[in-house]
Amino acid sequence: SQQGEEDPQALSIQEGENATMNCSYKTSINNLQWYRQNSGRGLVHLILIRSNEREKHSGRLRVTLDTSKKSSSLLITASRAADTASYFCATEEGETSGSRLTFGEGTQLTVNP
Amino acid sequence: EPEVTQTPSHQVTQMGQEVILRCVPISNHLYFYWYRQILGQKVEFLVSFYNNEISEKSEIFDDQFSVERPDGSNFTLKIRSTKLEDSAMYFCASRGSTKETQYFGPGTRLLVL
Repeated sequence: SQQGEEDPQALSIQEGENATMNCSYKTSINNLQWYRQNSGRGLVHLILIRSNEREKHSGRLRVTLDTSKKSSSLLITASRAADTASYFCATEEGETSGSRLTFGEGTQLTVNP
Repeated sequence: EPEVTQTPSHQVTQMGQEVILRCVPISNHLYFYWYRQILGQKVEFLVSFYNNEISEKSEIFDDQFSVERPDGSNFTLKIRSTKLEDSAMYFCASRGSTKETQYFGPGTRLLVL
């Protein structure tokens, strides 16, 4: 499997429900980030969690990171139809000038009104 | 809120033609990146740029690609002789320090015919 794999690939829920997306990675990382992409549009940064952090919150978003399992989860609580989008995790291995983000395949979230 | 901008939003070109994709990073940012996303696939790193030189490049970034910061505000990606497989969404990103997240532009959708 590749760095930054999300599951599920697709998730369909009803408005008001919680959505949980998972991401696994292979290498040691400096941080892990979650991005959102509406269909055919740009990438919007949601949240960054560093390797020495275990949990982070931002509004309705909760991200966890388990470096021993090399995995992260993104929880969106009380989902809305406007949350419908693709969600990607991206890992960064270092803090050098060249540090790249390595993206996963993404989870397509559909929130039905 | 400052944002990364990209022009054009869409570009259609003939195979073998040169294209230049333009980006205006956030004004006080020092680190610049290009990524691409082939339709239906994940986002892939192309190149990072700092202090007027390439910091790192991926195997995708071959001799057909070049980047330039021609003035204090623009950051460009040139593809010298486009191929059909260069058709993708190209994203520019920038950040102020290696401790910050990367902020992405809205992308340029390139179609090579």
